[in-house]
Amino acid sequence: GAVVSQHPSRVICKSGTSVKIECRSLDFQATTMFWYRQFPKQSLMLMATSNEGSKATYEQGVEKDKFLINHASLTLSTLTVTSAHPEDSSFYICSAYRKSSNQPQHFGDGTRLSIL
Amino acid sequence: SQQGEEDPQALSIQEGENATMNCSYKTSINNLQWYRQNSGRGLVHLILIRSNEREKHSGRLRVTLDTSKKSSSLLITASRAADTASYFCATDGNQFYFGTGTSLTVIP
Repeated sequence: GAVVSQHPSRVICKSGTSVKIECRSLDFQATTMFWYRQFPKQSLMLMATSNEGSKATYEQGVEKDKFLINHASLTLSTLTVTSAHPEDSSFYICSAYRKSSNQPQHFGDGTRLSIL
Repeated sequence: SQQGEEDPQALSIQEGENATMNCSYKTSINNLQWYRQNSGRGLVHLILIRSNEREKHSGRLRVTLDTSKKSSSLLITASRAADTASYFCATDGNQFYFGTGTSLTVIP
């Protein structure tokens, strides 16, 4: 099946640091990548939808200046959590999707972000 | 916003028993997918059912879809301890939205 690589898998850093998370689709070209946030024992909350070559679409309540998304190519999207604070600690998951393919999303393994 | 809701929220069964999880959604869809998530990991796609399909099988998995009721069910037969995980349904549209998930525990 399709493989999506998400890196890093775990980050621990000090408050105020900016953290970049990469999401790569390894064996298909993703027209769309999604970024999700998941709190313990809860579902995935869609943060933003990233289409290659265009600006990301953010869900209501998600600060676009806080969570910068870049989708520079059909195989790479990045999420940068800027000036991270303890409340940003969470599990972030990306997925890659090819529109009109009637195929499912393929997920990365997630990034556990802990801000001290 | 979440499109789907699964029930039950938690399910605990003995190994060998069948597990049934349900998902309800709100708007029209092109397809519905079921995913599995082991604790602290990403989601693994299990099965996709298109809006014009009513039932689909994959190994020990059976999925049904009732578009008139906007609901789907996932049946895992002959459960194993390794099936312990959270299960989510997701619907497409312009975006994907996940349900709240069912936490399944299979007791050996």
